[in-house]
Amino acid sequence: AQSVAQPEDQVNVAEGNPLTVKCTYSVSGNPYLFWYVQYPNRGLQFLLKYITGDNLVKGSYGFEAEFNKSQTSFHLKKPSALVSDSALYFCAVRDMGNYGQNFVFGPGTRLSVLP
Amino acid sequence: DTEVTQTPKHLVMGMTNKKSLKCEQHMGHRAMYWYKQKAKKPPELMFVYSYEKLSINESVPSRFSPECPNSSLLNLHLHALQPEDSALYLCASSLAGRGSAEAFFGQGTRLTVV
Repeated sequence: AQSVAQPEDQVNVAEGNPLTVKCTYSVSGNPYLFWYVQYPNRGLQFLLKYITGDNLVKGSYGFEAEFNKSQTSFHLKKPSALVSDSALYFCAVRDMGNYGQNFVFGPGTRLSVLP
Repeated sequence: DTEVTQTPKHLVMGMTNKKSLKCEQHMGHRAMYWYKQKAKKPPELMFVYSYEKLSINESVPSRFSPECPNSSLLNLHLHALQPEDSALYLCASSLAGRGSAEAFFGQGTRLTVV
């Protein structure tokens, strides 16, 4: 079965500093990996995805993610954090055991960017 | 247009009421999803429709009844809910049959059962 882990419940970073939100995965076969962000009382917004190819994926709002096959990781990064980046971040993988019809989400990491 | 629209945004219902949640998208997506999300938790899959046919039901109680009347609309009919069913209900859509395709989420319906 596919699974995703986000080892940190909470990440705090000062505005202007780089941020990293960690994600590790366990899948059979090649993974399709996604990052989503959720602001309070809102739906999930897609940030970026890894399918194949370049290990550094660029996404929306200046976010990028680095895919590392040997470490089974897909960490989300941003060079300079903004207070407005404070939100709940979910890493997700497609559950190919269900013909890819389901997204399996990690538990989420709350990012707080301090001014 | 990358928008998934959910109505209503908020819903308060009694345990004997019948209500429906609605979801609409015009991106040509043939996979549509219902997720339930409790506070500070990840979304949990309830149902998946693929080409307007129910393809996944994650053992959801029968008091939740999904319906996909056409390729743009998805409904969730609610009847005799329990207070523990209070949650944020999220609709999503994506290209069908494409594991690489991302899902687009609506803003959700905040449901409170009293």
